Amino acid sequence: QVQLQESGPGLVKPSQTLSLTCTVSGDSIGNYGHFWSWIRQHPGKGLEWIGYIYYSGSTYYNPSLKSRLDMSVETSKNQFSLKLRSVTAADTATYYCARGPPLAGAAAYDHWGQGTLVTVSS
Amino acid sequence: SVLTQPPSVSGAPGQSVTISCTGSSSNLGANYDVHWYQQFPGTGPKLLIYGNNNRPSGVPDRFSGSKSDTSASLAITGLQAEDEADYYCQSYDSSLSASVFGGGTRLTVL
Repeated sequence: QVQLQESGPGLVKPSQTLSLTCTVSGDSIGNYGHFWSWIRQHPGKGLEWIGYIYYSGSTYYNPSLKSRLDMSVETSKNQFSLKLRSVTAADTATYYCARGPPLAGAAAYDHWGQGTLVTVSS
Repeated sequence: SVLTQPPSVSGAPGQSVTISCTGSSSNLGANYDVHWYQQFPGTGPKLLIYGNNNRPSGVPDRFSGSKSDTSASLAITGLQAEDEADYYCQSYDSSLSASVFGGGTRLTVL
């Protein structure tokens, strides 16, 4: 079955860059059927969509984060990545990677990683 | 949140509950689909309902979804203790050009 696993530092200093990678198994990122997404959840709060990327490298970002955000894909490793620049304490959250939305059909996220907590603190 | 959910709902085992999700003319009212997720503490969300009223394989038919104009609902019948979790609705908002989520509803099985 499709599985996603986030990896990266759990602690980032303010003003630095948060970098995370999602490794996918059970599906190929190069399969044209889906976008691949990042979503975050602030402690005790709801979910916030960050953005998604297609295997070709096309990206769609949340306008509220766009100026600080870069996403990339490495199909040979079946991974996609997130870089968020100039972080502050407000970026402290659990970050999830997910499969979706699909190119056709309902624009839902059908598989999610377990999430990784990233704390921004000096 | 762009989509509004009640913070909490509760019900006894065997009973039914409904969780509402209220949007606006730029999301649910613009005919964008609504999707529902179930999340247990410390785990990633699980897709429960997609495309307003469709269940992924493996989701019990005790869970059902509906949508009408700017509102949507998730209904859970025959409540079980294992249903105790947080539930989130999700759609797309054209004015924000973003995928949006509700604030989440904590279901307590009494």
